Order: sequence, then structure tokens, then C-alpha cells
Amino acid sequence: DIQMTQSPSSLSASVGDRVTITCRASQSISSYLNWYQQKPGKAPKLLIYAASSLQSGIPSRFSGSGSGTDFTLTISSLQPEDFATYYCQQSSSNPRTFGQGTKVEIK
Amino acid sequence: QVQLVESGGGVVQPGRSLRLSCAASGFTFSSYGMHWVRQAPGKGLEWVAVIWYDGSNQYYADSVKGRFTISRDNSNTLYLQMNSLRAEDTAVYYCARSVGGRIRGPEDFGDSLDYWGQGTLVTVSS
Repeated sequence: DIQMTQSPSSLSASVGDRVTITCRASQSISSYLNWYQQKPGKAPKLLIYAASSLQSGIPSRFSGSGSGTDFTLTISSLQPEDFATYYCQQSSSNPRTFGQGTKVEIK
Repeated sequence: QVQLVESGGGVVQPGRSLRLSCAASGFTFSSYGMHWVRQAPGKGLEWVAVIWYDGSNQYYADSVKGRFTISRDNSNTLYLQMNSLRAEDTAVYYCARSVGGRIRGPEDFGDSLDYWGQGTLVTVSS
């Protein structure tokens, strides 16, 4: 099975900050990497698919990059509504696997 | 608009069975693969199972293989039959639509989960 490791597990940031979350796969997954945002008590929401494609309706301050084993989610200017937990997920093979999550908190 | 509505959760004793349903609307259900994803209280997301658009293949997480069965029918409903339930199966269970994937032989890859239901809570406890 492919293991997904996110870092950091949590971070504190201020509104307007640039935030970067990394995700590493235990083997190459090409660009088959998705990013989701989850707020407490809510279902996850797709942000980025295929490593760098922005899902429809998602603000352009979110971006993704990477291929192979190393990936990055960047929020260019953190907004109040962005405080949430972020998960990466590989879709290269079954079983699909998620990273453990990165909680973005208010500083 | 796309809607996914889960039902069937509740409290069940260890070793017993439960069947979850996910009613889909607002899209051509038979054209999309579907997944189940769960989240234990206070924990991260765990992928559970996938079924192809035509029901021809299913794949499972190791933690549920042999105990859970994913299926679908022509009434636009996705199911998760859960047998031999354990305390560690306690979680909110989400169904989600798969989009953008490809199939090569027995494998599917490259999809993402673009719509999710609101989740249904399963509690396994004596």
C-alpha cells in the first residue's frame, strides 16, 4: 500500500500569510494526488486534483504542485474561512490512501 | 444539483451487521464510480472502498476486506454492507462521487472525489 505523509501536522498562521503544506508518497504516484479541505462537522471539499488542477469554484489563492513523490499545497494569502484541516490523497492505485491531515489554526 | 444522502447509521453491538445507503441524485449515477470514506471521532480520513461505474469491480481497504461489501443498484443507490463489526469501525461514513478516473485492465486510477454526502455515524458498542 502507498503511504502518504503530510507535514506539518498542524500550523498556526495569521490572515494574509502564505501557507505551504507538503505531502510525500512512499512511492511514485505520478500526478495522481488530490487535496481536500475539511471544516469541523462538515464533509471534505475537493480543492486540487491531479496535483495542480484547481477544482471549479475554488479560489485562486489555492494552488498545488509536485509529481512523483513530493507534493505541495500553497495558500497564497490565508483568509479567515481557510482555517480548517487539509488532507492529501493518492489515486494512483488501490487501496486509495489519505495523509494524516494538517490542521491550520489561527495565530 | 448533485446530492448524496447517506442513511442507515446507528448504534450496533460488536459482531453484528449494518447496511448503509447513499441516495444519489442530480447526475447520471450509472456513469460514475463511487467511494466510501470514513472518519473515526477526532481522527483523519480513511478510505474504505470503491465500486466502478458499472459495478464490475470493487476494491477495499485492508482493514475492512472480507467484512464489508460495497454495491450499487439501478435505483441510484450505493450501499455498504458491514458485517462482523468491531469497535474500531466506529466512525462517520461518507459516500463520495468519483470523477476523472481511468481504467486500465483490472485497475482504476487518477480520479478525485468531487461530491460528498453529509455522512452517517456508525457506533459499534456493547
